[in-house]
Amino acid sequence: DAGVIQSPRHEVTEMGQEVTLRCKPISGHDYLFWYRQTMMRGLELLIYFNNNVPIDDSGMPEDRFSAKMPNASFSTLKIQPSEPRDSAVYFCASSFGAALMNTEAFFGQGTRLTVV
Amino acid sequence: KQEVTQIPAALSVPEGENLVLNCSFTDSAIYNLQWFRQDPGKGLTSLLLIQSSQREQTSGRLNASLDKSSGRSTLYIAASQPGDSATYLCAVRISGSRLTFGEGTQLTVNP
Repeated sequence: DAGVIQSPRHEVTEMGQEVTLRCKPISGHDYLFWYRQTMMRGLELLIYFNNNVPIDDSGMPEDRFSAKMPNASFSTLKIQPSEPRDSAVYFCASSFGAALMNTEAFFGQGTRLTVV
Repeated sequence: KQEVTQIPAALSVPEGENLVLNCSFTDSAIYNLQWFRQDPGKGLTSLLLIQSSQREQTSGRLNASLDKSSGRSTLYIAASQPGDSATYLCAVRISGSRLTFGEGTQLTVNP
C-alpha cells in the first residue's frame, strides 16, 4: 500500500477563496482523522470519521470548515472562505480501529496551506 | 481533558551519545501511546506503539517505555546519529480513538 495520500502537497490561495484538501486513507482502514499543525498550537485534531461517519467534529474551528467522507477511500476538508489564520499544515491520518489497543495511526505527508 | 507534555523542547547532542526523550500525560486511562518522528516539512512517521498493557517496545536503536500509573513514557535512542535529527512527538490514544499529541522535542545530532 502507498500509505495515506494527500493532495495537494502545497496550496497558496488568496483570502476569501475556497480551499479543498483531499485524502486517500490506507485501504481497509476504518478510521480517518484530519489534523492541523501550527507553530503556536502544535497538532490539533479537527475531526475524525469511523466507517465514513463523522464521530467527533469538536475540533473544527468554525463553520467555515467542513469535512466529508463520501466513501471509504476518500475524504475532503473544505475551508470556505479561507482566511490568513488558516495557514497551517493539514494532515490526514488513518487507522484500523477494531482493537483500539493495537491501533496504530498512519499519517500522510500533509498539505501546506498558505492563505495570503 | 488529556494533556501531553514533552521535555525537553529541544536537545542538541554529539554523534554517538545515548539520549532520552520524555513524555508525560495527565490522564492514565489510555489505550496506547505512540512515538512519531517528523522531519522538517514532512509528515509523521510512526516509530513505536506501546499498548496500555505493555511496559516497553524496542525497534533497532529505539526503546520506548511506558509507566501508565505515573503518566510517563520515555524514548531512548542509543548511539545517536546525525540522521536521527528530527522532531519527535508522542501521542496518547484515549477513548473514542482520539490521539492527543505533545508539542514535540526537536533533536539535533551533531557530527
